[in-house]
Order: sequence, then C-alpha cells, then structure tokens
Amino acid sequence: ENVLTQSPGTLSLSPGGRATLSCRASQSVSSSYLAWYQQRPGQAPRLLIYGASSRATGIPDRFSGSGSGTDFTLTISRLEPEDFAVYYCQQYGSSPLTFGGGTKVEIK
Amino acid sequence: EVHLVESGGGFVQPGGSLRLSCAASGFTFTSYAMSWVRQAPGKGLEWVSGISGNGESTYYADSVKGRFTISRDNSKNTLYLQMNSLRAEDTAVYYCAKVNSAGWHFDYWGQGTLVTVSS
Repeated sequence: ENVLTQSPGTLSLSPGGRATLSCRASQSVSSSYLAWYQQRPGQAPRLLIYGASSRATGIPDRFSGSGSGTDFTLTISRLEPEDFAVYYCQQYGSSPLTFGGGTKVEIK
Repeated sequence: EVHLVESGGGFVQPGGSLRLSCAASGFTFTSYAMSWVRQAPGKGLEWVSGISGNGESTYYADSVKGRFTISRDNSKNTLYLQMNSLRAEDTAVYYCAKVNSAGWHFDYWGQGTLVTVSS
C-alpha cells in the first residue's frame, strides 16, 4: 500500500501567516491522484484540493496545491481564523486508498 | 444541494453486528460510486470500503475484508455497511462519502455515525 507521511505534525502560526504542509508518498502517486481535506473540530472532512492542484468547488484561492510523484504540498497563503484545523492528504492512484496522518494548524 | 445522512451507529459488544445506512439526496445517486471512511477517536481517517454506482463492484480495506459488506439500494438512494464480527478496534465515527467522478476522492461527506465496540 502507498503510505502517506505528512509533516509537520503540528504547525503553529499566526492569523495572516503562510502555511506550508507536506505530504510524502512511499510510492509514486499515479496521475497526481492526490487530494487534500480540511477537518475542523467536531465536523466532517471537507475536500479542498484534488488532482494535486485543482481547487474543489467553493474553495478560496488562498488554498493551493502542488507537487507530483511522491512529494506534494498544500499552501495556505494568508491564514484566516477558520483555517485553523487539521489537514489530511489522500491518494487515489492505487488500491487501497490511503490517507496521511494529518497536520494540525494551530494558532500561535 | 447534496446531503448524506448516516444512521445505525451505536454500542455493540465484541463479536456483534451492526448495519449502517446512509441516505443520499441532491444528486443522481446511481451515477456515483460511494464509500465509507472511518475515524477512530482522536485519530486520522481510514478508508473502509467502496462501491460502484451500479453496485456491481465492491472494494474493501484489508482490515475489514471478510467481516464488512457494502451495498446500495439505488431505488431508495441509500448506501449500507453491514458490519459483522466487530472488534474493539472498529470503534470509530463512520462517514459516508460521495466519490467524485474524476477519481476516487470524496467531494461530499455525511456528518458521521459513532460505532462503539466494547464489552
């Protein structure tokens, strides 16, 4: 199975700051089939990015995704209060589908 | 607007069974694959199972293969997960998720239903 490792585990930043989250796969993710989700406390996950860099419907342009092969990045350009949450990457290029362990973005 | 509403969670003893349901609305149910994803308390997300739009193809994580069965009733716009031989490690919030047409990622999620397996 394709194991996804997210780093850092926790990111402490101030509102208005820039967040850079990493997702590294143990095997190349075919066709850049990599998605990012946001999960706020007590809520279901929400799709942010798919295909490594395509924003989902209704997602603000401060969220951007990049990368290919085994290394992927989610960038939040200017953190808003509602962006403090946990972020997960997921690969769907091979079976079984797998998620990373998550990165928590917390207020510094 | 897409809505996914799970039900059927609860408390069950190890070795017991439970059936989860997910009522879908706001989209053409039969046209989309669906999945179950779970999250143990305080942990990350784990894909559990998936099913094609017509129900003919099903997929399972190794951790549940042979114990869980995914199915759907397209006439009722409802997804199911039959869970047998439950173990303590199956304790989690179970989310129903709609699979996007561009690949097996999840564009809509339900609010989840909690399954607790304990003696």
